Amino acid sequence: EDKVVQSPLSLVVHEGDTVTLNCSYEVTNFRSLLWYKQEKKAPTFLFMLTSSGIEKKSGRLSSILDKKELFSILNITATQTGDSAVYLCAASSNDYKLSFGAGTTVTVRA
Amino acid sequence: EAGVAQSPRYKIIEKRQSVAFWCNPISGHATLYWYQQILGQGPKLLIQFQNNGVVDDSQLPKDRFSAERLKGVDSTLKIQPAKLEDSAVYLCASSSEVGLLSYNEQFFGPGTRLTVL
Repeated sequence: EDKVVQSPLSLVVHEGDTVTLNCSYEVTNFRSLLWYKQEKKAPTFLFMLTSSGIEKKSGRLSSILDKKELFSILNITATQTGDSAVYLCAASSNDYKLSFGAGTTVTVRA
Repeated sequence: EAGVAQSPRYKIIEKRQSVAFWCNPISGHATLYWYQQILGQGPKLLIQFQNNGVVDDSQLPKDRFSAERLKGVDSTLKIQPAKLEDSAVYLCASSSEVGLLSYNEQFFGPGTRLTVL
């Protein structure tokens, strides 16, 4: 059975701090790794990673994939209160099914 | 572009009652997904449609859950009878036609929060 594990489950930081979120996966016929941000509503897409070692960046967020060690990290620098959310990691297989992790709850305090 | 629409947004029912959720995907999106997200967990795929055909329903509890997408556009998900453990947010997502060589992003609706008492 496909498995995606995220850590930590939750963390609390202060504005301006940097956070690193971890995601490990075991997925048959792995295709890509996706990160989503979920506030009190639907998940919104952040990144899709398919190649090892190539960092993707969007503003203060960045992510990288290691296909040999089967993990990905999501970094958020200079955190703001608006970054408070649940961050979901999902692994996609060749049939485009997504297996989600349980998420990491990030709370950024002013 | 209008997003994925879902209704109702909230529903409270007693166990053993029936409930139905509705989803209208983004116009032109061929693929529609229903997910169940239990509090503290990530979304779990229940069923995937490609147009009006079922692609994957391996994780749908078919003794009580059913879903249809008769005209290949909007979809309904039904639970009959509901159990306490069905309390969750039910998310609908859609994507344009899934291609062999490219990923087509899934866009999620706001979800329906179901509470079974």
